[in-house]
Amino acid sequence: EVQLVESGGGLVQPGRSLKLSCVASGFTFSNYGMNWIRQAPGKGLEWVAYISSGSSYIYYAETVKGRFTISRDNAKNTLYLQMTSLRSEDTALYYCARQEQLRYWGQGVMVTVSS
Amino acid sequence: DIQMTQSPSLLSASVGDRVTLSCKASQNIYKYLNWYQQKLGEAPKLLIYYTNSLQTGIPSRFSGSGSGTDFTLTISSLQPEDVATYYCYQYNSGWTFGGGTKLELK
Repeated sequence: EVQLVESGGGLVQPGRSLKLSCVASGFTFSNYGMNWIRQAPGKGLEWVAYISSGSSYIYYAETVKGRFTISRDNAKNTLYLQMTSLRSEDTALYYCARQEQLRYWGQGVMVTVSS
Repeated sequence: DIQMTQSPSLLSASVGDRVTLSCKASQNIYKYLNWYQQKLGEAPKLLIYYTNSLQTGIPSRFSGSGSGTDFTLTISSLQPEDVATYYCYQYNSGWTFGGGTKLELK
């Protein structure tokens, strides 16, 4: 069974940093590209970042480019999102999702940016 | 960047109704479009991929159609468990979600 479990969220002050993790199981993690997608409270879905299976290709939404860094450790079956210079508008539920149609999603981890 | 516009934003329908949700792309995305269902408090679930391919386990009352810039998700006979927000998603150039259509029971 495919499972994606996010962690690392919490309350953080504006301008500070936070690192999210997504641990994958039930499939060969190193074979798939991965995404981070977020959803602000009461709002729609926003694609945030993508990383290819071997980390050769990385793309970001304009809203986070230069502040967020997506990475992965295939030996640990883990996807990461390093978030810096956080803003109130980054407050959201962050999901990791497997590429290939976004067929599988985690349950999400909440990030709240507030003073 | 490709923009995705869904309409209506809110749809009220009765059990048994045939329901049609619309999604329009700002430029040609061929058939690179998926539909997701998100129920309250849950992660999104893939319903339809590549415009009209039904994901395994999804009831056959769901169907998708379209190409280019205009796409449709149809529920042939609305069931109470279909109450949710539905999102379209393009992956032809970058990745973009539509704003969603909230479907409620009348």
